[in-house]
Amino acid sequence: DAGVTQSPTHLIKTRGQQVTLRCSPKSGHDTVSWYQQALGQGPQFIFQYYEEEERQRGNFPDRFSGHQFPNYSSELNVNALLLGDSALYLCASSGRFVGSYNEQFFGPGTRLTVL
Amino acid sequence: SQKIEQNSEALNIQEGKTATLTCNYTNYSPAYLQWYRQDPGRGPVFLLLIRENEKEKRKERLKVTFDTTLKQSLFHITASQPADSATYLCALDTGSYGKLTFGQGTILTVHP
Repeated sequence: DAGVTQSPTHLIKTRGQQVTLRCSPKSGHDTVSWYQQALGQGPQFIFQYYEEEERQRGNFPDRFSGHQFPNYSSELNVNALLLGDSALYLCASSGRFVGSYNEQFFGPGTRLTVL
Repeated sequence: SQKIEQNSEALNIQEGKTATLTCNYTNYSPAYLQWYRQDPGRGPVFLLLIRENEKEKRKERLKVTFDTTLKQSLFHITASQPADSATYLCALDTGSYGKLTFGQGTILTVHP
């Protein structure tokens, strides 16, 4: 089992551009959450996808959008990039709740640099 | 306003000693509290979870306590080793499908 995988590893964009990041969850997991981690800070929740729908969302503008595919993989899209969007973007997957909590497994992240 | 704070940005200890990290929160009612380890350039790795009705949880050299009255969790690593050097993150889960709210992390360095 490869665990959670993310692509690309690193990305450099300029202000105003758009970017798409990809995530494949751990085998057997159906829920994908995205987090943004600025340097020296803890991860911040962006949104979560379950059954191809956005189930909940953090305090991020509409420039941040996502998608989940039938195979549970997910994309994060960011439009009109700002310098402040430079961060490590983390994807986490978890399994279906069955009366108990399921831990989240994080991917290695995508390092986005906006110039 | 809601706040999660880990008491120090950095902690330096000698090998063999016990490392104690603190996580305080305000204006939350977490159903669970979790601790993660993060190495540079890597994603967080789950270590331990403690529920609101539990006082203490142990796993090998790790121990977590949870005091919902004080709104505080303590994370202990006993017999610390240089390989334990990393950033440790606490995260609150209010039970909303696993949405996590993280503290800013504590960088632990264990010196040989």
